[in-house]
Amino acid sequence: EDQVTQSPEALRLQEGESSSLNCSYTVSGLRGLFWYRQDPGKGPEFLFTLYSAGEEKEKERLKATLTKKESFLHITAPKPEDSATYLCAVQSLSGGYQKVTFGTGTKLQVIP
Amino acid sequence: GAVVSQHPSWVICKSGTSVKIECRSLDFQATTMFWYRQFPKQSLMLMATSNEGSKATYEQGVEKDKFLINHASLTLSTLTVTSAHPEDSSFYICSAGKGQGRITDTQYFGPGTRLTVL
Repeated sequence: EDQVTQSPEALRLQEGESSSLNCSYTVSGLRGLFWYRQDPGKGPEFLFTLYSAGEEKEKERLKATLTKKESFLHITAPKPEDSATYLCAVQSLSGGYQKVTFGTGTKLQVIP
Repeated sequence: GAVVSQHPSWVICKSGTSVKIECRSLDFQATTMFWYRQFPKQSLMLMATSNEGSKATYEQGVEKDKFLINHASLTLSTLTVTSAHPEDSSFYICSAGKGQGRITDTQYFGPGTRLTVL
């Protein structure tokens, strides 16, 4: 069974304090790994898709990396507006059947 | 940008009634739309993928007759929760993509619909 585990569950940072969020996964036939940002009571906002180990993508203060077992979302010099829940999801292909599995998210709070 | 709307944003209904939720892509044509549900403090769960003009593909464990999906046009998909019961209460979120059936395409999410079944 595919599994996605995100850590930590919650993270509190001072403004400007860089850190990383982790997404560990166990899937068969990985097709893609996604990062989203979700604000309370709203739909997720797409951030990145990573397809293969070694791939990296950046957007403003965020950088996502991927290995064969995990992905990191690095946040450089975060600002209060970066506060949100960050979700990781993987798409896998097993027996001809596609499946998407989401992690439970990391709730990030950036304090001014 | 790519904007996706949902209607209604919240709905309260009695047990046994059916509820329809609309998902619209406002400024682009969405060949593929996705429906998710999310319980409080839990992950998003993909329910189904729908391509315009064809039948939806449901994820394992999702009842096709319970959650009816129609994707009649390139800008509109609907999810009907039939004979709703309290356990169907959840946050339902749709997303739209410009690709064809590949969830790895960029997805643009709607704001979600909060369903409460009494």
